[in-house]
Amino acid sequence: GQSLEQPSEVTAVEGAIVQINCTYQTSGFYGLSWYQQHDGGAPTFLSYNGLDGLEETGRFSSFLSRSDSYGYLLLQELQMKDSASYFCAVRDGDSNYQLIWGAGTKLIIKP
Amino acid sequence: NAGVTQTPKFRVLKTGQSMTLLCAQDMNHEYMYWYRQDPGMGLRLIHYSVGEGTTAKGEVPDGYNVSRLKKQNFLLGLESAAPSQTSVYFCASSYQRDRSSYGYTFGSGTRLTVV
Repeated sequence: GQSLEQPSEVTAVEGAIVQINCTYQTSGFYGLSWYQQHDGGAPTFLSYNGLDGLEETGRFSSFLSRSDSYGYLLLQELQMKDSASYFCAVRDGDSNYQLIWGAGTKLIIKP
Repeated sequence: NAGVTQTPKFRVLKTGQSMTLLCAQDMNHEYMYWYRQDPGMGLRLIHYSVGEGTTAKGEVPDGYNVSRLKKQNFLLGLESAAPSQTSVYFCASSYQRDRSSYGYTFGSGTRLTVV
């Protein structure tokens, strides 16, 4: 079956660096994406990794290792506004290329 | 650009009533989706469409119907609302899968309560 695992909650301090991990199990893999969702808001697209390696977008970076079925989202110089839930999602060939979503990681930032 | 617009934003239904949720996108995206999100959970796909006039079932399609008569619009219908359908509903759109790096664009959501 298809599944994604990510921690349910992560706590970090303002200004610090935090890493949110995602492991996946799918029959056909076509890329790992990350989304941010603030409480009461809609998910917004952060990053996409189709190939192994690191993608950087400002303070956010995302990494993928297809051989390990693993990826992570790295947030640097944390700001209070980064407090949100973060979802990893995999495009799966056996699901007609639709996204399979993780349950989300709630990031709590303390001053 | 407005992106993805959902209406209504809030709605309370009585059990057995029907309603239609409207979704419109102005990005010329081929693919459109309807998701539901329940507290503390991820997104579950209800139905999706890969082009005008086409629809397909997702993970949790029972009790819902959809239509995509025009490329920019995707409608979600609840035939006979049940309390189990109390949720937040999100519409999303995207390019074809060969442009996956652009991600999905979501609407602001519809908060539906069935009493």
